Amino acid sequence: NAGVTQTPKFRVLKTGQSMTLLCAQDMNHEYMYWYRQDPGMGLRLIHYSVGEGTTAKGEVPDGYNVSRLKKQNFLLGLESAAPSQTSVYFCASTINGLWDEQFFGPGTRLTVL
Amino acid sequence: SQQGEEDPQALSIQEGENATMNCSYKTSINNLQWYRQNSGRGLVHLILIRSNEREKHSGRLRVTLDTSKKSSSLLITASRAADTASYFCASDAGGTSYGKLTFGQGTILTVHP
Repeated sequence: NAGVTQTPKFRVLKTGQSMTLLCAQDMNHEYMYWYRQDPGMGLRLIHYSVGEGTTAKGEVPDGYNVSRLKKQNFLLGLESAAPSQTSVYFCASTINGLWDEQFFGPGTRLTVL
Repeated sequence: SQQGEEDPQALSIQEGENATMNCSYKTSINNLQWYRQNSGRGLVHLILIRSNEREKHSGRLRVTLDTSKKSSSLLITASRAADTASYFCASDAGGTSYGKLTFGQGTILTVHP
């Protein structure tokens, strides 16, 4: 099993450009999450999904959109990138949410110029 | 805002010594988790302690939870150079939280050979 994978690993954008980050998991997990990590800080939740076709806002959702069309994939979109979105983005998944560990992907390092 | 606060922010010890990291949180929880992050990598789950538990062990790890003080500690005994990493506590929001986690800012542990 590959676990949780993220594509791409690195990306540089110019202000105003758009992009989509892909998260895929092969563990048949129901719950998936997108976090961002900024220097010297812990992770902050952007959006999450409790199952195929569902999405919900986390702590810092502004400027991002998500979709969960297939159970194994969770996409994070930036419609018009801003320098404040320069960060490392992590995707995670878990079986049933509340009582289980989250499995994390390796991260995507995004720089917005 | 971050629910979890961790101290110390950085800890430097010699191999063989014990390392203790502390975490505080603000609201009631269902569980609290500890994660480890090696530089430039994703997070790896270490241990989960439920709100009705006071202490939990896993190998060289010992976690305590004091819900009256809204605090937790992680003890790593007989540390090794390979334990060098950042350590994060993460608390859920209590109730039906869908596994949403709030992370502390982390403790950077350096273990010198």
